[in-house]
Amino acid sequence: KAGVTQTPRYLIKTRGQQVTLSCSPISGHRSVSWYQQTPGQGLQFLFEYFSETQRNKGNFPGRFSGRQFSNSRSEMNVSTLELGDSALYLCASSFSGGAPYEQYFGPGTRLTVT
Amino acid sequence: KNQVEQSPQSLIILEGKNCTLQCNYTVSPFSNLRWYKQDTGRGPVSLTIMTFSENTKSNGRYTATLDADTKQSSLHITASQLSDSASYICVVSGTNTGNQFYFGTGTSLTVIP
Repeated sequence: KAGVTQTPRYLIKTRGQQVTLSCSPISGHRSVSWYQQTPGQGLQFLFEYFSETQRNKGNFPGRFSGRQFSNSRSEMNVSTLELGDSALYLCASSFSGGAPYEQYFGPGTRLTVT
Repeated sequence: KNQVEQSPQSLIILEGKNCTLQCNYTVSPFSNLRWYKQDTGRGPVSLTIMTFSENTKSNGRYTATLDADTKQSSLHITASQLSDSASYICVVSGTNTGNQFYFGTGTSLTVIP
């Protein structure tokens, strides 16, 4: 079956702008998590959505927000972009919220803020 | 504070040799530990997942061990191949942290011919 897809794959934005990233999970998966990956910090958890509700949230400012649609597709929005927001943004889907459960990552969206 | 630390930060080995990567964590109470492989420019791919009661799990040439008492895990790669060149990330989740995961910063492995 098809894997997790993310669009766009690459994005260049200017400081102060906003951006929306999209993630389509594996068919049947209801949980979508978002991560930010930078060379210095590694992978950091942003938030998780399950059945259209945000279930967990990491320690990121309110400029980072997300939502999930009824078909489990998810979007992440970053407003008032800063240079430090340049990173690889990964989403991961899983079937349910019970642990241990497998997460499947998408290829990521590379965001560059200039 | 829940943390995951990996060592070494980077490693270069000759093709065909074995290597071991380390992961120490302070996440408590512990639920499970995963090892992921991430190729450059791609998303992480799961190698193994272990719960509290498991102390060894293999996936082909990859063998992960877990010592829940000392809060340590290792990933052993046997007979390395050029395709093993990647970043290896240790991820830990706790029983009272919901679905939040704690990530190590990874070990960058380079296999040279």
